[in-house]
Amino acid sequence: DAGVIQSPRHEVTEMGQEVTLRCKPISGHDYLFWYRQTMMRGLELLIYFNNNVPIDDSGMPEDRFSAKMPNASFSTLKIQPSEPRDSAVYFCASSSGAGANTGELFFGEGSRLTVL
Amino acid sequence: AQSVTQLDSHVSVSEGTPVLLRCNYSSSYSPSLFWYVQHPNKGLQLLLKYTSAATLVKGINGFEAEFKKSETSFHLTKPSAHMSDAAEYFCVVTRRRSNDYKLSFGAGTTVTVRA
Repeated sequence: DAGVIQSPRHEVTEMGQEVTLRCKPISGHDYLFWYRQTMMRGLELLIYFNNNVPIDDSGMPEDRFSAKMPNASFSTLKIQPSEPRDSAVYFCASSSGAGANTGELFFGEGSRLTVL
Repeated sequence: AQSVTQLDSHVSVSEGTPVLLRCNYSSSYSPSLFWYVQHPNKGLQLLLKYTSAATLVKGINGFEAEFKKSETSFHLTKPSAHMSDAAEYFCVVTRRRSNDYKLSFGAGTTVTVRA
């Protein structure tokens, strides 16, 4: 299995631009999570999906952030417009139902976003 | 409510010596506890988990952790550190058998291994 695949691995953009981060979960996993990691705040859960349906988006910072999961094998996290404070590493993780319930998540390698 | 406190932000050990990473947790419910490892520029990887079976849990790469309810602790140990153990380690708590799939992460402990 290839694991969770994220793209791009690195993104440098200018303030005000739209950013789209992509994630392909592990085949057969029905939970997908988006996390953000910064030095100041550590790891924060932004949103998670179950069977492609958003279950909890209370961690999404503001309306500039949106996430979609159009099918079981693909999810996007979009920031529009981007701001320098959005600079962080964004992780996607997936899990089977039992794993999610017990905290066993499989993480991608992350997308490092820098907003100038 | 639930939270974890990792008592050391940085631990430095010599190769071949024991490693101890300390974690205390707080939970209003029966907890499940985990340790994850993050190598530089990589995602997090599960090292081991406690979900109400044996209190001494063995994980990958020679790590183990012991759940001590009376001390609300879940410390991670390894008898002999290897250079490849240099990484950041996260203690995590969640509510056992919950429908709320939110994990509470500690702030992390950075491990440095000296040759």
